[in-house]
Amino acid sequence: SQQGEEDPQALSIQEGENATMNCSYKTSINNLQWYRQNSGRGLVHLILIRSNEREKHSGRLRVTLDTSKKSSSLLITASRAADTASYFCATDGAGSYQLTFGKGTKLSVIP
Amino acid sequence: KAGVTQTPRYLIKTRGQQVTLSCSPISGHRSVSWYQQTPGQGLQFLFEYFSETQRNKGNFPGRFSGRQFSNSRSEMNVSTLELGDSALYLCASSNPGLATPGADTQYFGPGTRLTVL
Repeated sequence: SQQGEEDPQALSIQEGENATMNCSYKTSINNLQWYRQNSGRGLVHLILIRSNEREKHSGRLRVTLDTSKKSSSLLITASRAADTASYFCATDGAGSYQLTFGKGTKLSVIP
Repeated sequence: KAGVTQTPRYLIKTRGQQVTLSCSPISGHRSVSWYQQTPGQGLQFLFEYFSETQRNKGNFPGRFSGRQFSNSRSEMNVSTLELGDSALYLCASSNPGLATPGADTQYFGPGTRLTVL
């Protein structure tokens, strides 16, 4: 079963707008990660946030983590057509090296 | 550094056959994980190896097996293929710090697309 659940399943925005994706998970974690996948290809790591961190930035990406609500959000600011992809959150379990992925949010950025 | 490579990139097999997929991690990375991706089930964890030892195994039948060699290269094998095994198989490598708990950043290969007829 999936540990993380992304919301929304699909998102369509205009270039230049911000995109926000959410992820909820069920059990306690060490780390939460976000990945991007362009159609049918390998995943690209975006950002890792540890359970004792609340917010992290990387370029146009901002990730927040609320362990009390077991949720995370990924914000992409000033989106570009090249950001069109599926975005996945992935969590590990306590004492585990196994990553469990959600089903992803499909983001379409319209030029 | 060269990225994670997977061979072959595409494979067509028939039911009942077996298949072996190969993964070469980024140089220096000691951990290799395998995932299956299908439209219906999404990304599912198969297993993870670190220094030739399997540390975690996902919820897959025994037909799915893997191993890691001393140079960190890894193979996964699927025996008695079923139609439902058609999927994109992704390999990822990482170099986890010994003092860092949990799963570290994964670097994914392009995947092997397996079609079972």
